[in-house]
Amino acid sequence: KNEVEQSPQNLTAQEGEFITINCSYSVGISALHWLQQHPGGGIVSLFMLSSGKKKHGRLIATINIQEKHSSLHITASHPRDSAVYICAAAKLNYGGSQGNLIFGKGTKLSVKP
Amino acid sequence: DGGITQSPKYLFRKEGQNVTLSCEQNLNHDAMYWYRQDPGQGLRLIYYSQIVNDFQKGDIAEGYSVSREKKESFPLTVTSAQKNPTAFYLCASSTRGPGHYGYTFGSGTRLTVV
Repeated sequence: KNEVEQSPQNLTAQEGEFITINCSYSVGISALHWLQQHPGGGIVSLFMLSSGKKKHGRLIATINIQEKHSSLHITASHPRDSAVYICAAAKLNYGGSQGNLIFGKGTKLSVKP
Repeated sequence: DGGITQSPKYLFRKEGQNVTLSCEQNLNHDAMYWYRQDPGQGLRLIYYSQIVNDFQKGDIAEGYSVSREKKESFPLTVTSAQKNPTAFYLCASSTRGPGHYGYTFGSGTRLTVV
């Protein structure tokens, strides 16, 4: 079992829909990252969470430390939101080196006009 | 603007040749990382470096080598010993120290062995 699991793997939505992507992890973490990867391949960091909730524009990220679960929400989705969304856990004491990330496999989101 | 520059974006290599991927950052980050991405898989760590002149192997270091002679630069060499080098390679950097780490990623290099 992967230490970081994302669901769903693929998601197709109509423009304007509310979208939720889930991430569960099984390890102790110092933070949980949400990343966005566009078709060209470059990755952009969206959020870094250690507790509670963060909001940026139409994107909202939440984390429940006790349940080891995080969600990324997109309100009023738009075709330009189409991308792969990746969650990554900053694992405590990973390899003796802090700051290393364990990645989920990503959720491919396609928003249709 | 501060950021990470990876070059080239696309790279073709003949089987049996070594090739070096460039990664430069001007963020004054101490730590730098190389990841490999294959279809349907999460990013996997190849090598990382927390300070100049020091680096550690990640999960899939076999067939790769790195150097960290300058804080700004962390080149990755894909050697002929790497059995399946065709992949997308991402470089990243982060701050280092106690607490939480902000990561910055490059735009990646897609390597194809022909």
